[in-house]
Amino acid sequence: QVQLVQSGAEVKKPGASVKVSCKASGYTFTNYGIIWVRQAPGQGLEWMGWISAYNGNTHYPQKLQGRVTMTTDSSTSTAFMELRSLRSDDTAVYYCARKGEARPPDYWGQGTLVTVSS
Amino acid sequence: DIQMTQSPSSLSASGGDRVTITCRASQGINNYLAWYQQKPGKVPKLLIYAASTLQSGVPSRFSGSGSGTDFTLTISSLQPEDVAAYYCQKYDGVPLTFGGGTKVEIK
Repeated sequence: QVQLVQSGAEVKKPGASVKVSCKASGYTFTNYGIIWVRQAPGQGLEWMGWISAYNGNTHYPQKLQGRVTMTTDSSTSTAFMELRSLRSDDTAVYYCARKGEARPPDYWGQGTLVTVSS
Repeated sequence: DIQMTQSPSSLSASGGDRVTITCRASQGINNYLAWYQQKPGKVPKLLIYAASTLQSGVPSRFSGSGSGTDFTLTISSLQPEDVAAYYCQKYDGVPLTFGGGTKVEIK
C-alpha cells in the first residue's frame, strides 16, 4: 500500500532552517511528483511547491522563492523540503503528498509540526 | 496565477440536510478540480477529482459537479461524521492553488 512517512516535529529559532523528509513506499517513486503543503494553526491549506521525482524539476510559489528548496533521493524514495530564514509565521504543520501526471495529490504524509519560536 | 474562491467560509446545517459548497476559479481549469475533506487534527483526504469523480471508498452522499470556472461539492444528507473543513484545489498545473476552505458544522 502507498505510504508517505514524514520526519518528526521540529522546534526552531527565528532565522534558522528546517529540513523535513518524506519517505515513500508502495509505488514507483520516480513515476510521480511530490507536493508540499503547509497549514498554520487554525488556517487553511497553502501549497508550497512541487518537485518531479523523475527529473528533479521544481516549481515554487513566488512567496517562497529563495527560501524553500525541494529535493528528492530516488535511492531511498525520499523527498525533502528545506525552508530557510524561518519566521514565527512559518509555524505550521507541513505535509507532503504524492501527485501523478494530470492527477490530484492523492496520498498524503502524516504531517510534521514545525514550531518557530525564540 | 489562477485564484480559487470558495463559499461559504463556514456553514451550519442539520443532520440529513443537503449541503452545497461552491468553488470558483478566476480562469478556466479544464475540470482539473479536486475536493478534500479535513477533519480536526487529521490529514486532508481526497474526496473527488476531475470535478465529479468520486475517489474510491468515499460515500456516495458526496458528489461534485461543474466545469470551466464554477464547481460544486454537495453532501446529499449531512451526517455527524461529515463535520470537517472542505477544500477545493486546482491541479491543472502549477501553482496547485487551494480554495480558502469551508467549515461544516452540525446544528
